[in-house]
Formats: sequence, structure tokens, C-alpha cells
Amino acid sequence: DAGVIQSPRHEVTEMGQEVTLRCKPISGHDYLFWYRQTMMRGLELLIYFNNNVPIDDSGMPEDRFSAKMPNASFSTLKIQPSEPRDSAVYFCASSLLGAHEQYFGPGTRLTVT
Amino acid sequence: AQSVAQPEDQVNVAEGNPLTVKCTYSVSGNPYLFWYVQYPNRGLQFLLKYITGDNLVKGSYGFEAEFNKSQTSFHLKKPSALVSDSALYFCAVRDVGNTPLVFGKGTRLSVIA
Repeated sequence: DAGVIQSPRHEVTEMGQEVTLRCKPISGHDYLFWYRQTMMRGLELLIYFNNNVPIDDSGMPEDRFSAKMPNASFSTLKIQPSEPRDSAVYFCASSLLGAHEQYFGPGTRLTVT
Repeated sequence: AQSVAQPEDQVNVAEGNPLTVKCTYSVSGNPYLFWYVQYPNRGLQFLLKYITGDNLVKGSYGFEAEFNKSQTSFHLKKPSALVSDSALYFCAVRDVGNTPLVFGKGTRLSVIA
């Protein structure tokens, strides 16, 4: 299995621009998680889905952030408009009901200038 | 609500010496406990987990962890450290059901040759 796939690996954009991060979970996994990692705040859970349905988005920092999962093999995290404080590494992870552990993608390093 | 504490930001150990990375947890029920490792510019990688059974859990790369219910601890250990073990280590806990993992802030392990 290829594992969790994220794209792009690096994104540099200017403040005010729209940013879309993409994730392909491991085939067959029914949970998908989006995390953000910064030096100051560590690893933060933003939102998670079960069977493509958002379960808890209480970690989404503000309305500029949105996430979708149109099917079992694809999810997006969108930031519109982006701000410099959104600069972080964004991880996607997936898991299988009953398996307990989550498997992480390589992350997308976002820099907003 | 569940929580995890990693009391040490940094652990330094000489190559060949035993290493311990500490973790304590708080949950309302029986805990599911995990250790992950993150190498530079990579995603989190699953090391081992405790769900039930034997209190000593063995994982990848020679790591093991001991579940101690009375001390609510789940310390990560390795008998002989390698320079290549240098990385960021995260402890995580889940309460009952399929709630998301709650991660600690991470401990940076530095193994010195």
C-alpha cells in the first residue's frame, strides 16, 4: 500500500490567496483526520471524518478554514483567504474502525508570506 | 476528557545507553495508548500501542513501552540507543470508542555518539 498521500508537499503563497491541500487516505480506511503542526502549538487536530461525514470540526481555527471529503479516497482542506499565521505543516491521517492507530501522510509545509 | 503529558521537552542520551521517554495520561475509562516517532520533514510514524493484555508492549526498531495503571504512565524505552533514534517522539491516548487520539507535545530525543 502507498500509505496516506498528500499534495502538494510544499506550498508558498501570498497573504490573501486561496490554498487547497489534498489528501488520499489508505484504501479501506473509514476515518480521516486533518492536523496542523507548529512549533508554538504542537500538533492540533483540526477536523475528522467518518465514512466521508465530518464528525468534529471544533478544531478548525476560524471560518477561513473548510474541509471536504467528497468520497472515500479524497479529502481537501481549504484556507481562504490565507494569512501568515496559517504557516504550518498540515498532516492528514487515516485509520480503520477497530484498528486504533492512525497512519499519517508526509505532510504539506505551508508558508504564507 | 483525556489528556497526555510528556514532562521532558528534550532527552539526551549517549549511544549504547538505555533510553526512556516519559509519558503520563488521564482518561475516564480504560486507555488506549500509543507512541509515534517523527523524523525531520516526515510525518508521524506509528511505533507501538497498548490496548489490553501484557503491560510490556514491544514495537518497531527495538522500542518497548510499559503500561503502569497505578501511575497512569506509559514510558517508552529502548535498551541500547542508536544515533539514528534521534527524533521527536509523541505519546498519544484514546478513551473509549473511536474518539480521535490526543497527542502530547512531544519529546525531542538526541542520541550522542
